[in-house]
Amino acid sequence: GAVVSQHPSRVICKSGTSVKIECRSLDFQATTMFWYRQFPKQSLMLMATSNEGSKATYEQGVEKDKFLINHASLTLSTLTVTSAHPEDSSFYICSVVPPAGMNTEAFFGQGTRLTVV
Amino acid sequence: AQTVTQSQPEMSVQEAETVTLSCTYDTSESDYYLFWYKQPPSRQMILVIRQEAYKQQNATENRFSVNFQKAAKSFSLKISDSQLGDAAMYFCAYRSLTGTASKLTFGTGTRLQVTL
Repeated sequence: GAVVSQHPSRVICKSGTSVKIECRSLDFQATTMFWYRQFPKQSLMLMATSNEGSKATYEQGVEKDKFLINHASLTLSTLTVTSAHPEDSSFYICSVVPPAGMNTEAFFGQGTRLTVV
Repeated sequence: AQTVTQSQPEMSVQEAETVTLSCTYDTSESDYYLFWYKQPPSRQMILVIRQEAYKQQNATENRFSVNFQKAAKSFSLKISDSQLGDAAMYFCAYRSLTGTASKLTFGTGTRLQVTL
């Protein structure tokens, strides 16, 4: 069964509105979660590292005020795209790594296809 | 910063044949992990195989095996007896053991087509 649940799978929103994407770790507690962005026919680019109980760490070039990350519990991280614009349309994927050890695989959510019109 | 390069944007293989996908990476670290992930049309990321850098033996998972050349910083994926279900995007990924150790750096991907 799924280890990571990401919701919604698809969302269409109007330009200027905000959209929240949820990422839930179903099988284990996760102090760290990762948010990636994938443009069509391109690779996954890390946007930010979500840290439970503290501020997220953003990659260079990612606007922290635009992509708000909240990791309020050990099983849930949310990514909110604020004041969305058409250029924010993309595929967003979250990832969780189990805490047991560094050699364990990363598990990915199903992804969210965001379309801003 | 580490970089991962996949020089083959697209590959094609006939069903039941063997294909090799290339991956090179750049790092100054001696300990790390390497992965191959598959992304089918559903876009769900699926782990294919992983390799610990400290292990000399190449990893194998059923029809999938790697050729890990640490000195050359090369990590190719061999798919034997290719099946239609193997058609997907394949991403090579690197994980450091320092800093934000769990994050993955992905290559640009190789789209694999499997023909009858």
